[in-house]
Amino acid sequence: DVVLTQTPLSLRVTLGQPASISCRSSQRLVHFDGNTYLSWLQQRPGQPPRLLVHKISQRFSGVPDRFSGSGAGTDFTLTISRVEAEDVGVYYCMQASQFPPYTFGQGTKLEIK
Amino acid sequence: EVQLVESGGGLVRPGGSLRLACVASGFTFSIYEMNWVRQAPGKGLEWLSYINPAGNLRLYADSVEGRFTVSRDDAKNSVYLQMSSLTEDDTAVYYCVRDPDGTSAAVFLDYWGLGTLVTVSP
Repeated sequence: DVVLTQTPLSLRVTLGQPASISCRSSQRLVHFDGNTYLSWLQQRPGQPPRLLVHKISQRFSGVPDRFSGSGAGTDFTLTISRVEAEDVGVYYCMQASQFPPYTFGQGTKLEIK
Repeated sequence: EVQLVESGGGLVRPGGSLRLACVASGFTFSIYEMNWVRQAPGKGLEWLSYINPAGNLRLYADSVEGRFTVSRDDAKNSVYLQMSSLTEDDTAVYYCVRDPDGTSAAVFLDYWGLGTLVTVSP
């Protein structure tokens, strides 16, 4: 199974400052159809996960444009251009390229400094 | 508006069984892959089970293979997870989750329910 390793596991950011989370895969995530099914999820406290970005960099419906995804192959990044208070929570990367199974990173906890 | 509403969670003794249900609304349920994902208290996300739109492809994580069974009833816009031989390690919030692929593959998980809590305790 693909192992996704996120860094850092914890992040404290000042409001208005940028934040980046890295996700490294144990295998290349290019699917045989040419797409890379690497997604990012946000889980706010007490809520279910919410899809932010799919296929590396495609923002999901309703997601603010301060969230962006990048990367290729085995290395991927979620960037928040200017952190807001509502961004507090845990962020997960997830892959579906080597399915089954879907696998998730360990999660990165974002707090406000 | 897409909605997924889980039910059926609760307290169960080790070795017991439970059936979770998820009712979908706001989309054409019959053409989507559906999944169950769980989250143990304070832990990360673990995919458990997948069922394709036709219902003839069912996949499971190794941790639940042989103990859990996924099914769907398109007439009721519902997906189910029958769980048996439960242990304390199965204590978690169980989420019903949609994959929008539609071709019996997998791409990403776009809509999540609020979850239902299963507690396995003596």
